[in-house]
Amino acid sequence: AQKITQTQPGMFVQEKEAVTLDCTYDTSDQSYGLFWYKQPSSGEMIFLIYQGSYDEQNATEGRYSLNFQKARKSANLVISASQLGDSAMYFCAMREGDTGGFKTIFGAGTRLFVKA
Amino acid sequence: GAVVSQHPSRVICKSGTSVKIECRSLDFQATTMFWYRQFPKKSLMLMATSNEGSKATYEQGVEKDKFLINHASLTLSTLTVTSAHPEDSSFYICSASVGQTNSPLHFGNGTRLTVT
Repeated sequence: AQKITQTQPGMFVQEKEAVTLDCTYDTSDQSYGLFWYKQPSSGEMIFLIYQGSYDEQNATEGRYSLNFQKARKSANLVISASQLGDSAMYFCAMREGDTGGFKTIFGAGTRLFVKA
Repeated sequence: GAVVSQHPSRVICKSGTSVKIECRSLDFQATTMFWYRQFPKKSLMLMATSNEGSKATYEQGVEKDKFLINHASLTLSTLTVTSAHPEDSSFYICSASVGQTNSPLHFGNGTRLTVT
């Protein structure tokens, strides 16, 4: 069964506008971490933002914020004021606790295209 | 901080030969490293979890005799693709973290393997 689901293979956004990338997850662990990574065409994985399962407030990092809805098991990434350099592949990931062996698994990814 | 260095970045080898990929944590000690494989325009697939001083734990469907993993020290893990075949051509990327569920993975820049 899919543990991390990203239903948007591709998204377009106009420069300077905000965009939301969807992510839902499935776990029976109480303790887990949710992450978003950016992968430009060069291939490196860039960590963007983290949300812990016990965190009550949504995480924010600069232009990135994570809309965490625990009951719905969703962890959507919001990018505000999009820039051309934001064009890349974005992966949602989850790291489970003991029962998951502390492994990090990734969703299928969403390719974001920022239009000038 | 938390820099992971991976070498080589690109390698081309002939079918039947073996290729070794090194992954080093430069400024922290990584008791656990993770090896991923990524096909073009696809997500990262976890291959194995590499624990310092012990045998690696492989994910289901990953051939441990083909993908030999050694984690000889707290800063070095290696992946050896043995008797490589064209279907082994892929992007291999290692990662490490300094903690558990609340710690993001820090990735190497990946190795693009082409088997001819």
